[in-house]
Amino acid sequence: KAGVTQTPRYLIKTRGQQVTLSCSPISGHRSVSWYQQTPGQGLQFLFEYFSETQRNKGNFPGRFSGRQFSNSRSEMNVSTLELGDSALYLCASSYGASYNEQFFGPGTRLTVL
Amino acid sequence: AQSVTQLGSHVSVSEGALVLLRCNYSSSVPPYLFWYVQYPNQGLQLLLKYTSAATLVKGINGFEAEFKKSETSFHLTKPSAHMSDAAEYFCAVSDQDWGGADGLTFGKGTHLIIQP
Repeated sequence: KAGVTQTPRYLIKTRGQQVTLSCSPISGHRSVSWYQQTPGQGLQFLFEYFSETQRNKGNFPGRFSGRQFSNSRSEMNVSTLELGDSALYLCASSYGASYNEQFFGPGTRLTVL
Repeated sequence: AQSVTQLGSHVSVSEGALVLLRCNYSSSVPPYLFWYVQYPNQGLQLLLKYTSAATLVKGINGFEAEFKKSETSFHLTKPSAHMSDAAEYFCAVSDQDWGGADGLTFGKGTHLIIQP
């Protein structure tokens, strides 16, 4: 069974630009969560989508947004990029309950110059 | 609010020695607990999880962890370290109270170094 895929794997942007990252979950998984990983803050939860609805959101500014499509694929968007947005963005998919394992993709490495 | 504390940002052990990575959690409700491993330039892989079925949980690659409610701990152990165990390890907690896939709260991570 194919794992979670994320595209692109690497991305370089400049301050003020916007970026869209994509995540394709494991077939059959309806929940997609996004996390930001930085050396300083570690792994932080961004938001989670289930059946095209955002169910939970972490403590991030409104510049960070996401959506989920009917085939469970998800995108996250960051507008007006800041230097501090440079991070590894990880996507995880699961069946959707707290006790379910979340399967992580390899991440998208975003560098903001 | 839930939180996770991992004692020791770096742990160094000799090959063949016992591995012990510490994790303490704080949760207002019974938690689900997870250990993940991350190799360089890769995503996270689940080692094991506690979901209240048994307090001693066995995972992949010879790792196991014991849930101790009285100590609010979920330490990860492996009897004999192997060079391939060198990686970053994360303890995470999820709130049982909500049936949805609530965001995992992660610890800061422990970098495991294996000395030959």
